[in-house]
Amino acid sequence: KQEVTQIPAALSVPEGENLVLNCSFTDSAIYNLQWFRQDPGKGLTSLLLIQSSQREQTSGRLNASLDKSSGRSTLYIAASQPGDSATYLCAGGGLPGTSGSRLTFGEGTQLTVNP
Amino acid sequence: GAVVSQHPSRVICKSGTSVKIECRSLDFQATTMFWYRQFPKQSLMLMATSNEGSKATYEQGVEKDKFLINHASLTLSTLTVTSAHPEDSSFYICSARDPPTDTQYFGPGTRLTVL
Repeated sequence: KQEVTQIPAALSVPEGENLVLNCSFTDSAIYNLQWFRQDPGKGLTSLLLIQSSQREQTSGRLNASLDKSSGRSTLYIAASQPGDSATYLCAGGGLPGTSGSRLTFGEGTQLTVNP
Repeated sequence: GAVVSQHPSRVICKSGTSVKIECRSLDFQATTMFWYRQFPKQSLMLMATSNEGSKATYEQGVEKDKFLINHASLTLSTLTVTSAHPEDSSFYICSARDPPTDTQYFGPGTRLTVL
């Protein structure tokens, strides 16, 4: 059974700082890994999806990496802005069409970027 | 990206009544949809996997007679909370898998409050 852990649980940084959010997973037979953003009381917004054959994905100021052998993924946010304040969730996905195809979520990292 | 809608966004009901929540994929066909539950300050917990034209698969500990799921078309899945009680109050989020990319797109969520 896949288990996903995120550290830190909360992070507060000044505006402009580069930061890294960490995600670890127990089952290296992961099919893909997704990073999401959730604003208070809202649904999830998909940020980046990394397939198991990939090592990283980039979108604007965001860069996500995946290391299956060590069971880790990181989300790098460059030049953070107050608008980046939200909870960031990572989720590991299993092979589609199998019993393990569901997404397993971490507990999230609550990020606050102070002006 | 693909859009998933949920209706209603917020519902308040009396204990003992039933509530239906709709999840729609607006611009793609989703053979698989997922229903999650999220308590305050916690991550998403998968309740069930909804497959078009077949019975939903429920996670351990989720009462299938309590949470009725119907996936009658490739763009619509419904979750009915039957005989709701205050402990059913939560944030319910659905997602739909886009087969070509295997990305799960999430709805905006439904806040259920049972008085």
